[in-house]
Amino acid sequence: GENVEQHPSTLSVQEGDSAVIKCTYSDSASNYFPWYKQELGKRPQLIIDIRSNVGEKKDQRIAVTLNKTAKHFSLHITETQPEDSAVYFCAAPRMDSSYKLIFGSGTRLLVRP
Amino acid sequence: GAVVSQHPSRVICKSGTSVKIECRSLDFQATTMFWYRQFPKQSLMLMATSNEGSKATYEQGVEKDKFLINHASLTLSTLTVTSAHPEDSSFYICSARTSGKETQYFGPGTRLLVL
Repeated sequence: GENVEQHPSTLSVQEGDSAVIKCTYSDSASNYFPWYKQELGKRPQLIIDIRSNVGEKKDQRIAVTLNKTAKHFSLHITETQPEDSAVYFCAAPRMDSSYKLIFGSGTRLLVRP
Repeated sequence: GAVVSQHPSRVICKSGTSVKIECRSLDFQATTMFWYRQFPKQSLMLMATSNEGSKATYEQGVEKDKFLINHASLTLSTLTVTSAHPEDSSFYICSARTSGKETQYFGPGTRLLVL
């Protein structure tokens, strides 16, 4: 069945270092890939998304890359700061409905000061 | 823009009672609203999808008679947990999207504790 796999489940980096989170998806027709950041007890917040007509998108310290052939996309955070500590979820559209999302299992990022 | 509110933020109720959770899009028309459930340290699991003016569609394994959803207007959807039991205790989060856009915007969530 369709699936979105996310790795790693936890990631600890030193402040200032980069963090990379990877997701793979199964439906080759998927064309929209959002990333959400969720702080403890709070709502998931969209931080960046990418559509299948581009391979990379950047927004200040955050970037997302997409490899359609390999069916994977990655979140890159550069110059990490303690406030980047949170759980990050990737998502991809479902086969049965392009506006429903399947979420990855989440990555708990800890940025050590 | 794209603000979604949810009320209440937390609720404690006795087993067997019903709880209603409201989800509102404050500055856009939400043609579709989604209800998710999130257990501690887990991902978001879609429970049901509601389109304004039509019946909600439920995910496999979600009881429609237990989780009643109403989407009566383009800015409001409600989820009622009927005859709540301790195993229904969870974090319930709604999201909303507008027609023609893929992006889902999430509400702040409702933490339900059933005693």
